[in-house]
Amino acid sequence: ETGVTQSPTHLIKTRGQQVTLRCSSQSGHNTVSWYQQALGQGPQFIFQYYREEENGRGNFPPRFSGLQFPNYSSELNVNALELDDSALYLCASRHRDRGYEQYFGPGTRLTVT
Amino acid sequence: AQSVTQLGSHVSVSEGALVLLRCNYSSSVPPYLFWYVQYPNQGLQLLLKYTSAATLVKGINGFEAEFKKSETSFHLTKPSAHMSDAAEYFCAVSGGNYGGSQGNLIFGKGTKLSVKP
Repeated sequence: ETGVTQSPTHLIKTRGQQVTLRCSSQSGHNTVSWYQQALGQGPQFIFQYYREEENGRGNFPPRFSGLQFPNYSSELNVNALELDDSALYLCASRHRDRGYEQYFGPGTRLTVT
Repeated sequence: AQSVTQLGSHVSVSEGALVLLRCNYSSSVPPYLFWYVQYPNQGLQLLLKYTSAATLVKGINGFEAEFKKSETSFHLTKPSAHMSDAAEYFCAVSGGNYGGSQGNLIFGKGTKLSVKP
C-alpha cells in the first residue's frame, strides 16, 4: 500500500475526445510524476509537477497537460485523444525528504476507440 | 542520456530454483537504480533501490541486487523462487537529482517471470 490513489480505474473514450485522470498522494509528497505504460512496455515519463508547477517533461506533445493542487492531488489531461493513447496511466509521488523514491498508484487503464 | 536494457522479455523458472533477471544501464551521471514489480492489473511496487551506498542491496520478498559499475549492471536475484513471485519486473534508472526531469525514472521494457510448480 503506497498511499497513492488514482481514479477512475478504467475508462473508455472515443478518438478526438478529452479525458481527465486524477491522482491523490500523501501529505508531504510535494512532487508528482505521470507515466504512460503501453501494453507490453515499461512506463514512460510524461511530466512532473513540483509545488504546483511543471518542472520536467518527457517526449509527449502539449495535448498532454496537468495540474497539481495544494492538497497533494493532481490531474492529467489529454486532449484530442488518439488510438495510441490507449495505455495504463500511472502517477507517482515523492516525499519532500526522500526525493529519490517514487510511490506509484494502481493506475488508470484508458482505452481509446 | 540514460537508458536501461533488460535482457529477456520472459524468464521461466521452477519453484525453488534461482531467479536471475538481468538489467544493464547507461547513465552519464552516478545513477540511482531501482527494481519494481508489477502484478497483473496493478501499479508498480518498489522491490529495492541502489542509491550509492552498499553495492549489494537487499529488498523485499527475499530479492537482492548487486550494483556493478564496471559492468554497468544491476541484476536482480532470489535464491529460491515461489509461485507468488510470478509477475513482471522492471529495472529503472534515474539521474539521482531530486528536481527536474532528471529525478524521474527511465524504465526497461520489463521481464515477465513465470514460476512452474
